[in-house]
Amino acid sequence: DTEVTQTPKHLVMGMTNKKSLKCEQHMGHRAMYWYKQKAKKPPELMFVYSYEKLSINESVPSRFSPECPNSSLLNLHLHALQPEDSALYLCASSQAPDRDGTQYFGPGTRLLVL
Amino acid sequence: GEDVEQSLFLSVREGDSSVINCTYTDSSSTYLYWYKQEPGAGLQLLTYIFSNMDMKQDQRLTVLLNKKDKHLSLRIADTQTGDSAIYFCAESPSGGYNKLIFGAGTRLAVHP
Repeated sequence: DTEVTQTPKHLVMGMTNKKSLKCEQHMGHRAMYWYKQKAKKPPELMFVYSYEKLSINESVPSRFSPECPNSSLLNLHLHALQPEDSALYLCASSQAPDRDGTQYFGPGTRLLVL
Repeated sequence: GEDVEQSLFLSVREGDSSVINCTYTDSSSTYLYWYKQEPGAGLQLLTYIFSNMDMKQDQRLTVLLNKKDKHLSLRIADTQTGDSAIYFCAESPSGGYNKLIFGAGTRLAVHP
């Protein structure tokens, strides 16, 4: 099983709202990732968690707040977003960084900020 | 620096072979990947090749790696309309944390 699940599939929010994106994997992977993808562009890395600890933050604005409550779950908390934050948000997972780094992606959450 | 380049568009007739090309810059990359993305969907891992290999075949897919020229290609045999998608080449540079460097993606259009 190489499945990564993401909820919700679609999300519409206003600039004053607080919402969360959820990602889950049961492959025993110990590295999890958030990416942002704009239309017609490749995914851009936002955050990397390794063994439930934040290891990479690619200078993402603080209105995006990641959380890794356990080895299977990854959340992305959203607050006071801007319309330019509208995008497809992809979660991925892989074995730990010192092992096979092949990343498996979820289907994404399509976010629209009004 | 790290950079991955791909041509942006490829059009093929159904039943023909498709060849998508990619060049990368980091010679220390351990793995090189091909991902497929259909409209509105996430990225599907198609195949990957370890840097000490020259070729990998998986059913209709053949990956060729030329380390000297830092050139990677994906050949899809007997291309079908279901193969229409964007194909991303990605490299995994050394340095840990499994950062992926993606190319811009090649849009493959399959016509009857």
